[in-house]
Amino acid sequence: IAGITQAPTSQILAAGRRMTLRCTQDMRHNAMYWYRQDLGLGLRLIHYSNTAGTTGKGEVPDGYSVSRANTDDFPLTLASAVPSQTSVYFCASSAGRESYNEQFFGPGTRLTVL
Amino acid sequence: AQSVSQHNHHVILSEAASLELGCNYSYGGTVNLFWYVQYPGQHLQLLLKYFSGDPLVKGIKGFEAEFIKSKFSFNLRKPSVQWSDTAEYFCAVRKDYGQNFVFGPGTRLSVLP
Repeated sequence: IAGITQAPTSQILAAGRRMTLRCTQDMRHNAMYWYRQDLGLGLRLIHYSNTAGTTGKGEVPDGYSVSRANTDDFPLTLASAVPSQTSVYFCASSAGRESYNEQFFGPGTRLTVL
Repeated sequence: AQSVSQHNHHVILSEAASLELGCNYSYGGTVNLFWYVQYPGQHLQLLLKYFSGDPLVKGIKGFEAEFIKSKFSFNLRKPSVQWSDTAEYFCAVRKDYGQNFVFGPGTRLSVLP
């Protein structure tokens, strides 16, 4: 069982470049999430999707976009990367929006924007 | 605004010491509470969760947490830590159906052999 996979594992990117972080889950979970993790700030929600075809903004959505064309995939795009987007990015999923459902996390993507 | 606070940024303990990590949240009403652990270089994994019933919740690896509604707290405990418990620990709260998770800033635990 793979769970959640993310690609790439790490990336160094020049400022101004476009970048898509990939996330795929094989658990048929309805809800998916993107977080960024920064030292001292914990995890901050960027965007989420309750179900295929819908997306919503989280706490820190500026500079990021997402799409949810199907249940399994939830890519995160940085249209024009800036150094402040240097972070570790985690994709997560949960079975549904019921509040007792925990989230499952992917291995993360370490992104450095120079 | 909804918030989750964790009392300590960094805790250093020797092996066999007892552990208690604090977590407080700022909502009224029904909540669901979670503790996640992140071992060095790895992704977050669920330690335990509370959604109803007995406020003392047992998790994996000997961890437990107690939900005290009157104190808006969900502290994580372990009677005797091991070097392998060195990790970052995150408390998270989910309020109602359809609401997103809110994570605390995390507490880094270092266990000295």
